[in-house]
Amino acid sequence: DIVMTQSPDSLAVSLGARATINCKSSQSVLYSSNNKNSLAWYQQKPGQPPKLLIYWASTRESGVPDRFSGSGSGTDFTLTISSLQAEDVAVYYCQQYYTTPRTFGQGTKLEIK
Amino acid sequence: QVQLQESGPGLVKPSQTLSLTCTVSGGSISSGSYYWSWIRQPAGKGPEWIGRIYTSGGTIYNPSLKSRVTISVDTSKNQFSLKLSSVTAADTAVYYCARFDRSGDNYYPESYWGQGTLVTVSS
Repeated sequence: DIVMTQSPDSLAVSLGARATINCKSSQSVLYSSNNKNSLAWYQQKPGQPPKLLIYWASTRESGVPDRFSGSGSGTDFTLTISSLQAEDVAVYYCQQYYTTPRTFGQGTKLEIK
Repeated sequence: QVQLQESGPGLVKPSQTLSLTCTVSGGSISSGSYYWSWIRQPAGKGPEWIGRIYTSGGTIYNPSLKSRVTISVDTSKNQFSLKLSSVTAADTAVYYCARFDRSGDNYYPESYWGQGTLVTVSS
């Protein structure tokens, strides 16, 4: 299985400031057929299912605010929230869908400082 | 807009079989290049992918659960199901059904999820 490791486990950021979450995969998730990375980011709020934010490492899902952006390639990826809003408080997960079984990171809890 | 809803017992005894159903509304389970997943999440942990089914009947399971898992589809009821046998307390989790898409050779992550159902394994 591909192991996904996120850092940090938790993060406290001031409103309006930048938040950065990292994700590392144990092997490359670069899909040769389209030269894109099979890496997704999800946001999960209490009592809700995960919500897809970003796929192909950097493509925003429809309706996701543009303060959310994804970057990286190969084995190292980053989710950035450019200006933290109160509604962004949540746990964030990365997921590789390059191969089965699909695997998720352990999560990063984002709070307001 | 497609919607998914899990249903089934919230309490299962150890050694018994966990059975859940996901009802899909807002579209046919058979249409398009759609794949249907089961994912679970123990309290305070990251999600764990259990497996997926395609309406042609093709299934892929997580090797860690493969010996105990069966995913099936009933196109006449627009439902797909999960059975997990010989459960223990370690199988206690919120269970989600979800959908991911394929376009040509490109597979996508799960973009539609049910609200989830808590299953507790306890005597």
